[in-house]
Amino acid sequence: NAGVTQTPKFRVLKTGQSMTLLCAQDMNHEYMYWYRQDPGMGLRLIHYSVGEGTTAKGEVPDGYNVSRLKKQNFLLGLESAAPSQTSVYFCASSYRTSRETQYFGPGTRLLVL
Amino acid sequence: KNEVEQSPQNLTAQEGEFITINCSYSVGISALHWLQQHPGGGIVSLFMLSSGKKKHGRLIATINIQEKHSSLHITASHPRDSAVYICAVVYSGGGADGLTFGKGTHLIIQP
Repeated sequence: NAGVTQTPKFRVLKTGQSMTLLCAQDMNHEYMYWYRQDPGMGLRLIHYSVGEGTTAKGEVPDGYNVSRLKKQNFLLGLESAAPSQTSVYFCASSYRTSRETQYFGPGTRLLVL
Repeated sequence: KNEVEQSPQNLTAQEGEFITINCSYSVGISALHWLQQHPGGGIVSLFMLSSGKKKHGRLIATINIQEKHSSLHITASHPRDSAVYICAVVYSGGGADGLTFGKGTHLIIQP
């Protein structure tokens, strides 16, 4: 039982490049989330999903797209990376609602030059 | 804008001291979470509260819904409690269904 895993752990991109961050959970959770953490800003919600095939915008969705084609996976895409997207990205999941315990992945550190 | 405020931002204490971290929020919520972020970066959920009080080992979390305030207490603090403690809320009503976070309290327990 791996919990929540994230791939990759660290990545360096040049401005304008694209990439996809993968989040996987093996707990059969319905809800999945993508957060970013920046110094002095705390964690902020980017996008979330309440079930397979659904996605919704969070607080800071601009510049990101997401997909939830399979219940266990939640992908975060950057189509054209910008330096402002340099951050640590955390994925999380919860069983049925955001009022339940959230389980976090280890994070992905992204540097955009 | 809905705000989650934590105090203090930084706290240094001696081993064995009783620690209190405070969290206040501005509008109605359906749940409040306390999280711990280790120095290595990993985030662990400590408590989820919608009312009252919860206890787990040396950690106690309380919430007062009417006053829009929650506290996290650590009894008999230990250097291994050194971490960032984060309060997060789920707002009632419509809108994003994820967590809204405070900026965290950086706790250092000295031996």
